[in-house]
This record gives sequence, structure tokens and C-alpha cells, in this order.
Amino acid sequence: AQSVTQLDSHVSVSEGTPVLLRCNYSSSYSPSLFWYVQHPNKGLQLLLKYTSAATLVKGINGFEAEFKKSETSFHLTKPSAHMSDAAEYFCVVRLTGGGNKLTFGTGTQLKVEL
Amino acid sequence: DVKVTQSSRYLVKRTGEKVFLECVQDMDHENMFWYRQDPGLGLRLIYFSYDVKMKEKGDIPEGYSVSREKKERFSLILESASTNQTSMYLCASTSYQGLIANQPQHFGDGTRLSIL
Repeated sequence: AQSVTQLDSHVSVSEGTPVLLRCNYSSSYSPSLFWYVQHPNKGLQLLLKYTSAATLVKGINGFEAEFKKSETSFHLTKPSAHMSDAAEYFCVVRLTGGGNKLTFGTGTQLKVEL
Repeated sequence: DVKVTQSSRYLVKRTGEKVFLECVQDMDHENMFWYRQDPGLGLRLIYFSYDVKMKEKGDIPEGYSVSREKKERFSLILESASTNQTSMYLCASTSYQGLIANQPQHFGDGTRLSIL
């Protein structure tokens, strides 16, 4: 079985400060991991993905995430938050060779304040 | 760019009605998915289809059915709508090769459905 836990349902940062959104996964096999972002009244947009290549993954809009197998984590970071980063973020796991099934975290709402 | 279009952004229906949610993708993708999104629960898979006329149940299929008569179109059907089906519904698609290569699913903008 696979699962993903987003440790914070809400995160609030000031503009220009670093962002850290935490994600831990559970998987019996080598997983593929994704971060998606959802802006209000919009569908989900892919930020970045990990598929067993480099453990540090760079995505769009200055986001990156590091796959740490020993900690079963895939935390999302950004050095400097922008107001436009305010959105909901989902960590997603898919088993390698696991067919169509994605497992979504419950989401982290990021608030960016002036 | 892949375009996944959901026919309605907002929909209000009454309890007991039969409700159709439509999704169309323009990239000839084999795989299509229906999710519902609820606060604090993330996205949960209702049904998916990996080819025309093929369907498989996801995690929460009860109260729903689907139809895939054409490759580009995947319909979600609420046979007899109930208030607990009030939710945001998201459609997604990906190609067969994309699935093998761990490409992401492409999402529509969602339909916010209210059942009164």
C-alpha cells in the first residue's frame, strides 16, 4: 500500500522569506513523487516530479524538492516566497509500475503575507 | 499544450436528479480519470478509464458511474444525486506512454457541484 502525509494543512510566510512544505510518503516499492499546485478555482498544475533520477528536483516558479529515501520525505522548498505563490499544494505518490493509481496528500494551503 | 475541458464550472442540482459531468481532452490520451476534491481530504479517485468503453473503479465509486464512448470524452454520472455528493469534481488525462514514463496527469479546471 502507498500513502502520503502532508504534515501541515496551513503554512503562512512573509513575502521574500523561504517556503517549506513538508511531505512524507509510505511505499513498499520505488515511488514516483509529484508536487502539484492549485490556484483558486483552477485545476491542478504540475510543479515538479521525482522519478528515480536526481534526488534534488527543480520545478517551475523557483520551487524545488529533495527526495530523501532514508527519511521517506519529499519536502517542497522555495528560497523566497512571492505573493503569487499563495495557493494549495498537493504531494502525490505513484508506485513505479503501479498502473494508474495516484495517491494524493490532503493538501497544504500556503498563505503569503506582505 | 494539453487541454482538458470540463463542460461546467458551476452546477446546482436537486436531490434525486440524474447528473452528468462531461470532460473532453484534445491530446488523444488513452487514460482519463475522475476525482472529487473535498477540504481536508485531498483528491480521491472515483473512476478511471484506460480506453474507449473500458472503466475501472477507483477508491470511492459508490453512487457514481461513468461512460467512455469516444476516446476524447469521459462522462461522470450521478445516478441519483444526494447532498453528500456536493463537491469539486476534477477530470484528468494522460497518455499510455506518459503513464509508463511517469508523466503527470493533466487536469481540467474543475466543476463545483452543489446538490440541494
